[in-house]
Amino acid sequence: ETVLTQSPATLSASPGERATLSCRASQSVSSKLAWYQHKPGQAPRLLIFGASTRATGIPARISGSGSGTEFTLTISSLQSEDFAVYYCQQYDNWPYTFGQGTKLEIK
Amino acid sequence: EVQLVESGGGLVQPGGSLRLSCTISGFTFSSSAMHWVRQAPGKGLEYVSAISGDGGSTYYANSVKGRFTISRDASKNTLYLQMGSLRGEDMAVYYCASSTSSWPLTMDVWGQGTTVTVSS
Repeated sequence: ETVLTQSPATLSASPGERATLSCRASQSVSSKLAWYQHKPGQAPRLLIFGASTRATGIPARISGSGSGTEFTLTISSLQSEDFAVYYCQQYDNWPYTFGQGTKLEIK
Repeated sequence: EVQLVESGGGLVQPGGSLRLSCTISGFTFSSSAMHWVRQAPGKGLEYVSAISGDGGSTYYANSVKGRFTISRDASKNTLYLQMGSLRGEDMAVYYCASSTSSWPLTMDVWGQGTTVTVSS
């Protein structure tokens, strides 16, 4: 099973700042890595697939990069609606797995 | 509008069974792979199971293999998760999600979830 390790567990930042979230895989997942945003009481939302392709309706300030075992989600200028929990997920090999999540909170 | 609506959650005793349903609308069900994902109280997302668009391929997390069964009924536009031998660690909000492809890849659209409580 591929283990995904996200860091940091919690990131405190202010609106307008840049946020960088990391996801490391225990084995290569090629570019089959997605990122999701999850807010309390809401359904999760797909942000990025294929490591770097934005899903429909996702603003350009949100970007993904990486391949193999190291991946990054970057939010270039934080807006109030960006404060949430973010998960990476690999879909390269079964069973599919999620990282443990990074909570992005307002400083 | 694409919609996924889960139902069937509730209170069940340890060792018991429960069947969750997910009814979809707004897209071609048979062309879309489907997934179940759960979130236990205070925990992160956990991948549970997936099924291909034609229903011919199914996949399970190690934690539920042999106890849960995923299936789909194209005539009813409905996805199911039959859960058996339930344990305390199965208590969670269960989400269904769809892929835009017939092969399970990413989870592109999600339902709002249904809550399963395992307690005596």
